[in-house]
Amino acid sequence: AQKITQTQPGMFVQEKEAVTLDCTYDTSDPSYGLFWYKQPSSGEMIFLIYQGSYDQQNATEGRYSLNFQKARKSANLVISASQLGDSAMYFCAMRGVNTGGFKTIFGAGTRLFVKA
Amino acid sequence: DTAVSQTPKYLVTQMGNDKSIKCEQNLGHDTMYWYKQDSKKFLKIMFSYNNKELIINETVPNRFSPKSPDKAHLNLHINSLELGDSAVYFCASSHQAAQTLNEQFFGPGTRLTVL
Repeated sequence: AQKITQTQPGMFVQEKEAVTLDCTYDTSDPSYGLFWYKQPSSGEMIFLIYQGSYDQQNATEGRYSLNFQKARKSANLVISASQLGDSAMYFCAMRGVNTGGFKTIFGAGTRLFVKA
Repeated sequence: DTAVSQTPKYLVTQMGNDKSIKCEQNLGHDTMYWYKQDSKKFLKIMFSYNNKELIINETVPNRFSPKSPDKAHLNLHINSLELGDSAVYFCASSHQAAQTLNEQFFGPGTRLTVL
């Protein structure tokens, strides 16, 4: 069975500092994708970054990078130079080929607070 | 242009009523989804549709009946609403989910409150 674990219910970070949000996963899929989404207080779900299980390099998108360690089954999100607007819920998610790519499972989320 | 839209944004209704939530995407995607986010923010998939066909039904009570009239629309009808149905319902879409593990695009969500 697939599982996503986010062990940090809440995190605080000082503005302009970097922060790492943890995500570990469990799957028997031979090929899978890992995703991070941001959900601000307004409620919408915003896609941030994607890492494929066979990608050789860690994904980066602007201030977001994904620290992918396949052997450890971890896919941590790193946000550099935090901004006040980064305060939100962050969800790690996974989709695998065993369900034909049609089923995405989400972690419980981490609420990030950025302090001025 | 809105990529994935849902109506209504808010829905307040009495127990036992029947209600529908509509979803439309203009991205040309062939796969659409319904998710439920509970009060603790936990997000769980309910249904996946590919080219108008039901692919995933995650043991959702049969009071919930999705309908996909075409690839751009996936509506959710809920019969005999219960208090526990109160949640935020998200529609999402993605391109060629069967071939590529790419991201999903989410609608703005519909907050359903059952009194």
